[in-house]
Amino acid sequence: GENVEQHPSTLSVQEGDSAVIKCTYSDSASNYFPWYKQELGKGPQLIIDIRSNVGEKKDQRIAVTLNKTAKHFSLHITETQPEDSAVYFCAASTSGSNYGGSQGNLIFGKGTKLSVKP
Amino acid sequence: DSGVTQTPKHLITATGQRVTLRCSPRSGDLSVYWYQQSLDQGLQFLIQYYNGEERAKGNILERFSAQQFPDLHSELNLSSLELGDSALYFCASSVVGQGGEQYFGPGTRLTVT
Repeated sequence: GENVEQHPSTLSVQEGDSAVIKCTYSDSASNYFPWYKQELGKGPQLIIDIRSNVGEKKDQRIAVTLNKTAKHFSLHITETQPEDSAVYFCAASTSGSNYGGSQGNLIFGKGTKLSVKP
Repeated sequence: DSGVTQTPKHLITATGQRVTLRCSPRSGDLSVYWYQQSLDQGLQFLIQYYNGEERAKGNILERFSAQQFPDLHSELNLSSLELGDSALYFCASSVVGQGGEQYFGPGTRLTVT
């Protein structure tokens, strides 16, 4: 089945710097890659996602890139702010899979704890 | 606020007991997913329902079961609880059955003593 590796596990940056979190996946059939932000005591919040027919997607200070050949995708946060401090999770799934089984559901990385120092 | 609601927020119970966690999906969403989050295992997919029917199963124990009702809310039943079942349990919902954006609720923190 799918396996998602996420690095680094912790990341500390100064306010205003950029942060990059990388993930690799094992199943070449995976075609949907969301990123979630989880603040303390809250549920994961979808912040951006990308599908395999796209190489890059941007939303203000956040961007995600996907390299299907290498089977890795990355989250880039520019001009970081203290409120960006949280745990970030990448995930992978397949869409349009056969009915049943666990294919098509999100397989998560272990998370990256991002700290932005003022 | 994702629009997904979960109750209760916290639950403390003893080993061997049974509990029920409840989830209401976002308006219009037909799929409900249950996930378990623990420190050592991370976020693990348990089970998915789509429009009242079981759609997919992940790492769900036989002691756990779920259902989705005609009004689309879902319940996760955990029985014969063990200390290791202590975790955060999240519900997520999406419009489609597979490959769509999933929106998570605030979670239920279960503590088994």
